[in-house]
Amino acid sequence: DTAVSQTPKYLVTQMGNDKSIKCEQNLGHDTMYWYKQDSKKFLKIMFSYNNKELIINETVPNRFSPKSPDKAHLNLHINSLELGDSAVYFCASSQWGAGETQYFGPGTRLLVL
Amino acid sequence: AQTVTQSQPEMSVQEAETVTLSCTYDTSESDYYLFWYKQPPSRQMILVIRQEAYKQQNATENRFSVNFQKAAKSFSLKISDSQLGDAAMYFCAYRSGRTGTASKLTFGTGTRLQVTL
Repeated sequence: DTAVSQTPKYLVTQMGNDKSIKCEQNLGHDTMYWYKQDSKKFLKIMFSYNNKELIINETVPNRFSPKSPDKAHLNLHINSLELGDSAVYFCASSQWGAGETQYFGPGTRLLVL
Repeated sequence: AQTVTQSQPEMSVQEAETVTLSCTYDTSESDYYLFWYKQPPSRQMILVIRQEAYKQQNATENRFSVNFQKAAKSFSLKISDSQLGDAAMYFCAYRSGRTGTASKLTFGTGTRLQVTL
């Protein structure tokens, strides 16, 4: 059983298109995150939701919009894709509380042509 | 803002030997958590070990152990009896002891570990 899953694993698309990445966790956690890993492997937080409420919204272009339909799901929608959006996007989840360990999904490699 | 520094972009170790990966961090907080994550070529981020700042005892997980020096803000990872499967990128990460907007992980730039025969 996969604890944190993401679909799709790979996404190749043209500039200007709109795409979505889905994330689901079956760990019973109430907090979920999106991280971006750039071409130099640097990982940075983008968003976080707790119980469907947005609690972290880092400096991210407003073309990126997260949506959390319930505690187990966190989706990422990207409008008007740009070349610089090419990266690996990781979903993670944890239980609310100080120091709770975050568990990561397998990542979605997005390539914008 | 907290920062995490990994000064070794690449390290190499022979199979069965021991290697230590360095990590330093900067914070004004007294309550926080530190983590080492492993990212093999499969891209999956795998938790290796975690350390609570309030604990003086260094965390250990089988062949993996840390040397946590709170005053020096240093958190190194020691891998004993290295195996071929240990070859990966290793990321050091910091998490505030506060909740809410502080719950994000702040990562270092990673150290690529090669394991040779």
